[in-house]
Amino acid sequence: EVHLLESGGGLVQPGGSLRLSCAASGFTFRDYAMSWVRQAPGKGLEWVSSIGLTSGTTFYTDSVKGRFTISSDSSKNTLYLQMNSLRADDTALYYCARALTAWQAPGYWGQGTLVTVSS
Amino acid sequence: EIVLTQSPATLSLSPGERATLSCRASQSVSSYLAWYQQKPGQAPRLLIYDASNRATGIPARFSGSGSGTDFTLTISSLEPDDFAVYYCQQRGNWPRSFGQGTRLEIK
Repeated sequence: EVHLLESGGGLVQPGGSLRLSCAASGFTFRDYAMSWVRQAPGKGLEWVSSIGLTSGTTFYTDSVKGRFTISSDSSKNTLYLQMNSLRADDTALYYCARALTAWQAPGYWGQGTLVTVSS
Repeated sequence: EIVLTQSPATLSLSPGERATLSCRASQSVSSYLAWYQQKPGQAPRLLIYDASNRATGIPARFSGSGSGTDFTLTISSLEPDDFAVYYCQQRGNWPRSFGQGTRLEIK
């Protein structure tokens, strides 16, 4: 059974940094694309970033380019999102998601970790 | 960037009725469109991928259609458990994008 468990969220001041982790189990980690999707309180879903675990290819939404870095450690079956220069509008629940297959739509989701950027 | 526009924003129907949700893309995404259901306090759940393929375990009352820029999610006969927010998402181009959602509420 596929299981994704996010951690690392919390309260951080504007301009600060956080690193989110997503521990994956139940599948061969490197065979799939993985993504981070966020949801601001009371708002819709927003795709943030994706990585192809075989190729290492990465993609970002424009608003986080240069500030966020997606990465993975296949030996630990863990996905990361390093978030720097955080802003108030980064406040959201951050979901880790696995593609259904290869680069397919995200078919498996964690329960999310909450990031709050506030002074 | 491909913008997905969902309509209506809110749909009020009764159990047993048919629901038709629309998603329009600002440019062609071929058939690379997915639909998700989200209930309060829960992660999104994949319903349909590549426009018309039901994900594993999704009831047959959910169906998807369309290609290019116009897509539809149909729920043939609403069950009480179907009242939720529905999102479309495209994987036809980078950056990926979601629609703003349609809230399906009980009339």
